Amino acid sequence: DTGVSQDPRHKITKRGQNVTFRCDPISEHNRLYWYRQTLGQGPEFLTYFQNEAQLEKSRLLSDRFSAERPKGSFSTLEIQRTEQGDSAMYLCASSRSGGSYEQYFGPGTRLTVT
Amino acid sequence: QQQVKQSPQSLIVQKGGISIINCAYENTAFDYFPWYQQFPGKGPALLIAIRPDVSEKKEGRFTISFNKSAKQFSLHIMDSQPGDSATYFCAASGASGGSYIPTFGRGTSLIVHP
Repeated sequence: DTGVSQDPRHKITKRGQNVTFRCDPISEHNRLYWYRQTLGQGPEFLTYFQNEAQLEKSRLLSDRFSAERPKGSFSTLEIQRTEQGDSAMYLCASSRSGGSYEQYFGPGTRLTVT
Repeated sequence: QQQVKQSPQSLIVQKGGISIINCAYENTAFDYFPWYQQFPGKGPALLIAIRPDVSEKKEGRFTISFNKSAKQFSLHIMDSQPGDSATYFCAASGASGGSYIPTFGRGTSLIVHP
């Protein structure tokens, strides 16, 4: 299966620690998106890349959050000095460019900050 | 401000019945309306999508009805099955800056009783 993959699937960390998540998109997709999803809510957009360029960031993406896609393939999302409010599912999605709306989501990384 | 309003929040139907989920949007620039299905612990999966140039799209047991003038669209699941029990999200997106970033509704938890 060559779908979107994310690692780790689950992460438990203590408040104040840094965490990093990885996303591997579908290989021919050059757009990559990060979302956050809390219980009972739909996914909320965080940021997106076209190839290695980060083109848009949401106001939800505070200074403690940083995302990279250095070679235009996989991406990482880092959260520094985690807070309990960061507990959520972090979803990655990918799509083709050139007018394609269809986004394909990965299984997500469940973050719990204790 | 919620740009996509989804109802009901939860829905219980009997096997073989029709499940109907409704969404309303505000931004007239939206031109792509997908529905996603999400099972617990999984990422959302694209189910079916419609563009505003048609009023209805059917794929198997799933149908989207679209009313452009009312800015509303709905998902109908015919002959609902227990395996359809999941959370369903509507979304809307437009080519704002070429990003096609969807705005999601809050989701509907569907339970189909056998």
